Amino acid sequence: DIVLTQSPLSLPVTPGESASISCKSSQSLLHTNGYNYFDWYLQKPGQSPQLLIYLGSNRASGVPDRFSGSGSGTDFTLKISRVEAEDVGVYYCMQALHSRKTFGQGTKVDIK
Amino acid sequence: EVKLVESGGGLVQPGGSLRLSCSASGFNFGIYWMSWVRQAPGKGLEWVANMNQYGTEKNYVDSVKGRFTISRDNAKKSLYLDMNSLRDEDTAVYYCARGEWELVWGQGAVVTVSS
Repeated sequence: DIVLTQSPLSLPVTPGESASISCKSSQSLLHTNGYNYFDWYLQKPGQSPQLLIYLGSNRASGVPDRFSGSGSGTDFTLKISRVEAEDVGVYYCMQALHSRKTFGQGTKVDIK
Repeated sequence: EVKLVESGGGLVQPGGSLRLSCSASGFNFGIYWMSWVRQAPGKGLEWVANMNQYGTEKNYVDSVKGRFTISRDNAKKSLYLDMNSLRDEDTAVYYCARGEWELVWGQGAVVTVSS
């Protein structure tokens, strides 16, 4: 199975500053159709996960534009510019290229 | 509005069985892949199983293969997860999700396996 490795696993942030989370895949997630089958999710405290980014770089409906996804192949990054208090929670990456999907370990983001 | 409501969770003894259901509304259920994802207490997300719109393709994580069965009834807009030979390590919140990727999640059902 594909292994996704996130870093860092814990990320204290200052409101108004930017933050980045990395996710590295053990295999390329780039399909022959040109799309990276890779999502980012945020699980806020006490809530179900919610979709942030799909196909590597597409923001889901209603997601603020301070969230952006980039990368291709095996290396992906989620950037949060101008972090707000409501952005705290655990961020997960997920690969969807192969039939058995897998998640990263999660990155816990909290306010300094 | 997309809505997914899981039911059927509860306390079961090791070796027992349980059936989870997921009732969908707010979208055309019959054209989407559907998935189950679980989260053990204090742990991260673990993908469990998914199936295509027609029920002809089903995929499982190795740890549940042969014990869990995913199924659906498009007429009833419902997804199911039949869980047999349950183990302590199956204790988790089980989420139903729309899609194969770009997942939209339900609120979850708690399954506790304990004697």
